[in-house]
Amino acid sequence: EAQVTQNPRYLITVTGKKLTVTCSQNMNHEYMSWYRQDPGLGLRQIYYSMNVEVTDKGDVPEGYKVSRKEKRNFPLILESPSPNQTSLYFCASSLDGGSNLVYEQYFGPGTRLTVT
Amino acid sequence: EDQVTQSPEALRLQEGESSSLNCSYTVSGLRGLFWYRQDPGKGPEFLFTLYSAGEEKEKERLKATLTKKESFLHITAPKPEDSATYLCAVQPKWVSGNQFYFGTGTSLTVIP
Repeated sequence: EAQVTQNPRYLITVTGKKLTVTCSQNMNHEYMSWYRQDPGLGLRQIYYSMNVEVTDKGDVPEGYKVSRKEKRNFPLILESPSPNQTSLYFCASSLDGGSNLVYEQYFGPGTRLTVT
Repeated sequence: EDQVTQSPEALRLQEGESSSLNCSYTVSGLRGLFWYRQDPGKGPEFLFTLYSAGEEKEKERLKATLTKKESFLHITAPKPEDSATYLCAVQPKWVSGNQFYFGTGTSLTVIP
């Protein structure tokens, strides 16, 4: 089954304790992204990747890191989490449509993170 | 500044009562506009892609249309299972192929 998986689904942690949220897709997609979703603010892009070893900042990258060492995986790293990073996080992937086409994104089930 | 605004924020309909959701956008050239459906506690699920003004796409009770400034998601004779949050996203032409801007969504409730 074509899917994007995220782990963990729920995480409660304390301020400053490094954590990693994993994301994996089995569709051989070039593009992957991380979003956070907050009430009243909608989905905001944190980081995105165009392919292996190619990543760039989205709209809200502060406090986050990413890496793309393999095509299927795109982990999100919070090196020193703070309470304002409490949010619902989604990973997404899509095909590369080149300069003229843009393909739909496939989203993971989400990770609900609480930082106390 | 590129912006995506969805209205209304919330909509309650009786089963069978047709209506429309709006997504207005201000971007410097549009590469694509997307509609997604999101159920509580789940990730968004793709519905439609629209590329140019005048384009229309249909799927069951849903029909998406696009003009140069806005898109509408028309829901005909909705059923309770259509209850969800509907998200609109755009990709301006000037950004890379993996950058998207989302609206805050319309929460639709269909009452039996």
